[in-house]
Amino acid sequence: GENVEQHPSTLSVQEGDSAVIKCTYSDSASNYFPWYKQELGKGPQLIIDIRSNVGEKKDQRIAVTLNKTAKHFSLHITETQPEDSAVYFCAASKVDSSYKLIFGSGTRLLVRP
Amino acid sequence: KAGVTQTPRYLIKTRGQQVTLSCSPISGHRSVSWYQQTPGQGLQFLFEYFSETQRNKGNFPGRFSGRQFSNSRSEMNVSTLELGDSALYLCASSQISSYNEQFFGPGTRLTVL
Repeated sequence: GENVEQHPSTLSVQEGDSAVIKCTYSDSASNYFPWYKQELGKGPQLIIDIRSNVGEKKDQRIAVTLNKTAKHFSLHITETQPEDSAVYFCAASKVDSSYKLIFGSGTRLLVRP
Repeated sequence: KAGVTQTPRYLIKTRGQQVTLSCSPISGHRSVSWYQQTPGQGLQFLFEYFSETQRNKGNFPGRFSGRQFSNSRSEMNVSTLELGDSALYLCASSQISSYNEQFFGPGTRLTVL
């Protein structure tokens, strides 16, 4: 069935260091991969996404890479700041007749000042 | 543009009762999806509506139902509440396009006693 595995479950980095979160998906038909940031008491916020026809996408300090062959995709945050501390979720979806997202289990990122 | 709004933000119910949650999507967005978020199961897809029609449904019992109105606003209903239904219920809206960007509301925190 459809499944997305996410690692690590917790990640602690020093301010200014980089953070990498990795996800693996099972459904080879998946073609859309968003990343969400969820702060305490809030809903998930879309921070970046990538489609299967692209291998890498960057937006300022955030980048996402996709390896379709291995069914892996990763989130890279450079020059981390304390305000990056949150729970990050990866997700996978098939853009067909329905917009159903399959989420990973989440990574709690702590950026130490 | 205003974001996705959900009402109420917090609810306390007792077992056996029923509850209705409401979601107003971003203006112009016609797809509304609902997700359940719990510490144990993470983010799980409930159902998605477009043009007042349910296009996809997740693996939840029939006690969970929803509907969408002609103005794209959506409601979900849970009947015969169980303790395990305590969760954060999230609504996400999306434009109908070749992309699948979904934007989440703040959620409704349901506690079943």
